[in-house]
Amino acid sequence: GNSVTQMEGPVTLSEEAFLTINCTYTATGYPSLFWYVQYPGEGLQLLLKATKADDKGSNKGFEATYRKETTSFHLEKGSVQVSDSAVYFCALVSKTSYDKVIFGPGTSLSVIP
Amino acid sequence: NAGVTQTPKFQVLKTGQSMTLQCAQDMNHEYMSWYRQDPGMGLRLIHYSVGAGITDQGEVPNGYNVSRSTTEDFPLRLLSAAPSQTSVYFCASIPGLGSNEQFFGPGTRLTVL
Repeated sequence: GNSVTQMEGPVTLSEEAFLTINCTYTATGYPSLFWYVQYPGEGLQLLLKATKADDKGSNKGFEATYRKETTSFHLEKGSVQVSDSAVYFCALVSKTSYDKVIFGPGTSLSVIP
Repeated sequence: NAGVTQTPKFQVLKTGQSMTLQCAQDMNHEYMSWYRQDPGMGLRLIHYSVGAGITDQGEVPNGYNVSRSTTEDFPLRLLSAAPSQTSVYFCASIPGLGSNEQFFGPGTRLTVL
């Protein structure tokens, strides 16, 4: 079945450091891929998405590229801020079951001044 | 638009008690889902609905019931609460065909003693 794997956390970075959170997936066909962010005490919010191979999603300085050949969708940001401290979830939606989202376990990020 | 709303925000139950978690959306979205979030496990789908009058089971449906009598509301019922149901519960909605972005409510934190 479909699944999403994320790098283990927690991740702690200093402000202005470079961020990479790895995400790989297993799916039949060509799913849509997402990154969601959950700030403390809140629900999940869509951060960015990509719907086909080689698409790059970007938002708030974060980027991720849909790599079909490596079945990956790694999240990157060039310079993190304290306000980026949150839990990040990689997710996929199959084109044939678009009402079911498969989430990774989440990666907690703490950015220290 | 209020988006996706959930009540209550917090709830403490005793083992064996029943209760209903409320979820409503005012965006006229077709699809709605319930997830539970547990540490290290990401979000797991409990039940979902593709429209009024239509519901189906997700990954972890046991101990929960749902109904969808209107497009707006999708309540989750715990029939006889157990400590294993201690979790944070999120309701989400998707506009429908052609869109697979999920909109999440703020969550309900449930503790079963």
